[in-house]
Amino acid sequence: EVQLVESGGGLIQPGGSLRLSCAASGFTVSSNYMSWVRQAPGKGLEWVSVIYSGGSTYYADSVKGRFTISRDNSKNTLYLQMNSLRAEDTAVYYCARLEYSYATGNYFDYWGQGTLVTVSS
Amino acid sequence: QSVLTQPPSVSGAPGQRVTISCTGSSSNIGAGYDVHWYQQLPGTAPKLLIYGNSNRPSGVPDRFSGSKSGTSASLAISGLQAEDEADYYCQSYDSSLSVVFGGGTKLTVL
Repeated sequence: EVQLVESGGGLIQPGGSLRLSCAASGFTVSSNYMSWVRQAPGKGLEWVSVIYSGGSTYYADSVKGRFTISRDNSKNTLYLQMNSLRAEDTAVYYCARLEYSYATGNYFDYWGQGTLVTVSS
Repeated sequence: QSVLTQPPSVSGAPGQRVTISCTGSSSNIGAGYDVHWYQQLPGTAPKLLIYGNSNRPSGVPDRFSGSKSGTSASLAISGLQAEDEADYYCQSYDSSLSVVFGGGTKLTVL
């Protein structure tokens, strides 16, 4: 059974740093495309970042230069290092597996339960 | 401001059929990228509902269907049930090399 479990969220002051983790089971993180998606309180979904199986990484403009996505193959875990945090980064952060098919496109087939990050003084 | 445009809310009585639209542009849906739909029940993570415009994952009732035409897509829910009350999001890909979402639509079952 596929499972994604996020951790690492919490209350952090503006300008601070936080690292989120996403422990996966039931599949191999390094063989898949993995993403972070966030949802601000009462708002919609916003794609944050993706890491491809080959290691390439991409970011939304809103986090580029501040966030870093990575993975630890030995722990089958995905990470999101968040630096220079701002109030507008406050959100529930979900990790999700990004399925890719030439026939049906890129879509998120499995999601974690999410971890809340609150940036406030 | 989301890249894909959805109505903020729709409603329907039990048993009725409702549709939710998702409008994009020539750089995403109109460029041929597929559209996918997610259901988010209150307080839970999103769940894949429709992928590849019109495909249902295993376990999703056939009351849910999707379609795509030009720069738009639609999600239809027939035989509306109380448990369908949720937020629904469309998602596609953009030529700027990023995943894009709609702003979400809140479905109320009257």
